[in-house]
Amino acid sequence: RKEVEQDPGPFNVPEGATVAFNCTYSNSASQSFFWYRQDCRKEPKLLMSVYSSGNEDGRFTAQLNRASQYISLLIRDSKLSDSATYLCVAIYGQNFVFGPGTRLSVLP
Amino acid sequence: EAQVTQNPRYLITVTGKKLTVTCSQNMNHEYMSWYRQDPGLGLRQIYYSMNVEVTDKGDVPEGYKVSRKEKRNFPLILESPSPNQTSLYFCASSYRLAGASYNEQFFGPGTRLTVL
Repeated sequence: RKEVEQDPGPFNVPEGATVAFNCTYSNSASQSFFWYRQDCRKEPKLLMSVYSSGNEDGRFTAQLNRASQYISLLIRDSKLSDSATYLCVAIYGQNFVFGPGTRLSVLP
Repeated sequence: EAQVTQNPRYLITVTGKKLTVTCSQNMNHEYMSWYRQDPGLGLRQIYYSMNVEVTDKGDVPEGYKVSRKEKRNFPLILESPSPNQTSLYFCASSYRLAGASYNEQFFGPGTRLTVL
């Protein structure tokens, strides 16, 4: 089973900060990538897909580097409500492989 | 409303007492999956199913069974639960367009299981 690894947490940042998470995947055959957000004891929810050309959704930017086999998530102007655990996912074939998650705490 | 439902949401049981956690989705997704989540270990896939009557093992299948007799349902069965199966369980479903990779998974609300 190929792994997906993420930055160890927790990240404690002040409101308004910019924070970046990285995620590496070991299976070069991985086809699709996503970032999920998970609040404590709740189900993971899709934050955004990650496209080869990079993509942005409001304060969130995701990038994919296939050559180096990593994906990233940038959060600008952090809000208190961004506090959560962020999971990256790589899909190869029918296998969804989740990273262990990185915990973010945005402090007032 | 498009959703994945799981029941029960919370369950406390004793070692060896067979139990079933149900999962149902109303999105006509062909792909369904079960995960367990434990502190420090993240989400680990137990079993998945690519369609009716097609199931396969994930990373941690030992001690679990599944069935997929209908497209919408994918129950998780613990024939003889043990304390090391105490965990938070999630069911999820997904789909893909012809010739493409799977799209994102939609998760159920989770089932918190405690085996004494």
